Amino acid sequence: NAGVTQTPKFRILKIGQSMTLQCAQDMNHNYMYWYRQDPGMGLKLIYYSVGAGITDKGEVPNGYNVSRSTTEDFPLRLELAAPSQTSVYFCASSLGLITDTQYFGPGTRLTVL
Amino acid sequence: AQKVTQAQTEISVVEKEDVTLDCVYETRDTTYYLFWYKQPPSGELVFLIRRNSFDEQNEISGRYSWNFQKSTSSFNFTITASQVVDSAVYFCALSEAGGSSNTGKLIFGQGTTLQVKP
Repeated sequence: NAGVTQTPKFRILKIGQSMTLQCAQDMNHNYMYWYRQDPGMGLKLIYYSVGAGITDKGEVPNGYNVSRSTTEDFPLRLELAAPSQTSVYFCASSLGLITDTQYFGPGTRLTVL
Repeated sequence: AQKVTQAQTEISVVEKEDVTLDCVYETRDTTYYLFWYKQPPSGELVFLIRRNSFDEQNEISGRYSWNFQKSTSSFNFTITASQVVDSAVYFCALSEAGGSSNTGKLIFGQGTTLQVKP
């Protein structure tokens, strides 16, 4: 199993550009999450999904959108990138119960200039 | 309010020393879960342990041990005989199981950077 995969690993965007961060898992997990990690800080939840077709906002959703058309994929869309979105983005998944262990992808390092 | 505090920003030890990483949490829920994750220099997050609020038994896994004390809302992590490969950022996290917070989201502390010198 590949676990949780994320692409790209690194990306530099100009202010105002858009992009999609890809996340996929092959563990048949129902729950998926997007977090961001700012320098020297812990992770903060952006969006989460409890199953295909169901998404909801986390703690810091502004400037982002998500979709969940399949169990495996949970892309994160950045519209009109801003310097404040410079961060490392982690995708995670868990089996199904609310407090199941979350397993994380390798992260995407995004810089907005 | 949910909160996780890791007061130690950075710790530096010499190899073979024992080191304890502190974690203090706040929650109103009676059912919750606590986690520790390791983030090595390569950047990925590695799951170390998950403990529920009803299980206060200490746990040992090799050189790692965890001390959960509900009376002081603490979930401390000890590495015995530290090694250079233990150098990483360690995060403590909280997940609540009930009430309006049943999203499964993790509340992370700010992390403790551990440097183990040879």
